[in-house]
Amino acid sequence: GQSLEQPSEVTAVEGAIVQINCTYQTSGFYGLSWYQQHDGGAPTFLSYNGLDGLEETGRFSSFLSRSDSYGYLLLQELQMKDSASYFCAVRGGNYQLIWGAGTKLIIKP
Amino acid sequence: GAGVSQSPSNKVTEKGKDVELRCDPISGHTALYWYRQSLGQGLEFLIYFQGNSAPDKSGLPSDRFSAERTGGSVSTLTIQRTQQEDSAVYLCASSLRGLYEQYFGPGTRLTVT
Repeated sequence: GQSLEQPSEVTAVEGAIVQINCTYQTSGFYGLSWYQQHDGGAPTFLSYNGLDGLEETGRFSSFLSRSDSYGYLLLQELQMKDSASYFCAVRGGNYQLIWGAGTKLIIKP
Repeated sequence: GAGVSQSPSNKVTEKGKDVELRCDPISGHTALYWYRQSLGQGLEFLIYFQGNSAPDKSGLPSDRFSAERTGGSVSTLTIQRTQQEDSAVYLCASSLRGLYEQYFGPGTRLTVT
């Protein structure tokens, strides 16, 4: 089967750096996506990694290691508005995305 | 430009009734997805439309669920004989650049009493 694992909750301090990990098991692999979802809101696309390495977009970076079936999302200079749930997702069969259960990021002042 | 819109935003229905949920994707987006999200959970894939191709219905949980997409644009998700376990937020997303970058609507919160 196909599955993703990510921590259910992560706590960090405003201004700090936090890393949210995601490990996956898939029958085939085509890439890893990250989405942000604020409470009561819709998921918003953050990043995509199709190849190994680091992708940087402003304060957010995403890393992928295909040999380790592992990726992470790195958030720098944390702001209170970054408090949200973060989901990793991989391609399942055909054109489906299989989603992790999400990591709730709690930021303390 | 306008994003993905969904209606209604909230729907309360009695067990056994049918409901219709509507999604208007971003103009020009050929791919459209329906998902279901229960509180504190990830997204559960339901159905996928791509252009004029036959939809991928492999995620529909039962034959009470159906969806159509008219004219390659608006989509309707229909749930017949609703059950309490159908209560969730139903999210629609559209995509132009492929599977990984999807744009989501605000969702419809369905409550079956």
